[in-house]
Amino acid sequence: DVKVTQSSRYLVKRTGEKVFLECVQDMDHENMFWYRQDPGLGLRLIYFSYDVKMKEKGDIPEGYSVSREKKERFSLILESASTNQTSMYLCASSQISGGGLNTEAFFGQGTRLTVV
Amino acid sequence: GENVEQHPSTLSVQEGDSAVIKCTYSDSASNYFPWYKQELGKRPQLIIDIRSNVGEKKDQRIAVTLNKTAKHFSLHITETQPEDSAVYFCAAGLYNFNKFYFGSGTKLNVKP
Repeated sequence: DVKVTQSSRYLVKRTGEKVFLECVQDMDHENMFWYRQDPGLGLRLIYFSYDVKMKEKGDIPEGYSVSREKKERFSLILESASTNQTSMYLCASSQISGGGLNTEAFFGQGTRLTVV
Repeated sequence: GENVEQHPSTLSVQEGDSAVIKCTYSDSASNYFPWYKQELGKRPQLIIDIRSNVGEKKDQRIAVTLNKTAKHFSLHITETQPEDSAVYFCAAGLYNFNKFYFGSGTKLNVKP
């Protein structure tokens, strides 16, 4: 079974703090993603990475950065947390597509971040 | 980038009835359309997907149809059961890049 693990289930941070959300996957997947989930807005892509040290912006990268130093780990960084970043954050991973490989994205359990 | 619109936002059906969720996409280059189901408090999980080289795909009570010309695709659930109650997300994107964009979600409630 693919396992995608996010470091925290719930997190409360203060405005202006630097926040790290960690995600680890154990299936040697090339692709990793960070999404933000808000009611009525669905899942919005913040950043994704298709290889170590490689990253691409998604729809809403402003206020976020990412780090992928190792294949299994993808970190989301809020440089200076703000109240409008209060949300559910979901990490996902998947294999690179092609050759009939399964391209399903496997999600972590989510981190509910509250910025006060 | 891709813009995916999903309707309705909420859907309530009686057990045994059919449910249909519709999505439209904007980028004609998109060629991969997965559907994810998220039960309350759980992570989204893939339930079915379709690539643009086919118009329909079926898996037991679930089917997805794709109209490339009109740029819309739909999820059909027949003989609904209470355990089908969840939020369903459609998505569209490029298969080779394995990057896709989600719709806003449909909360399906199946009443016993």
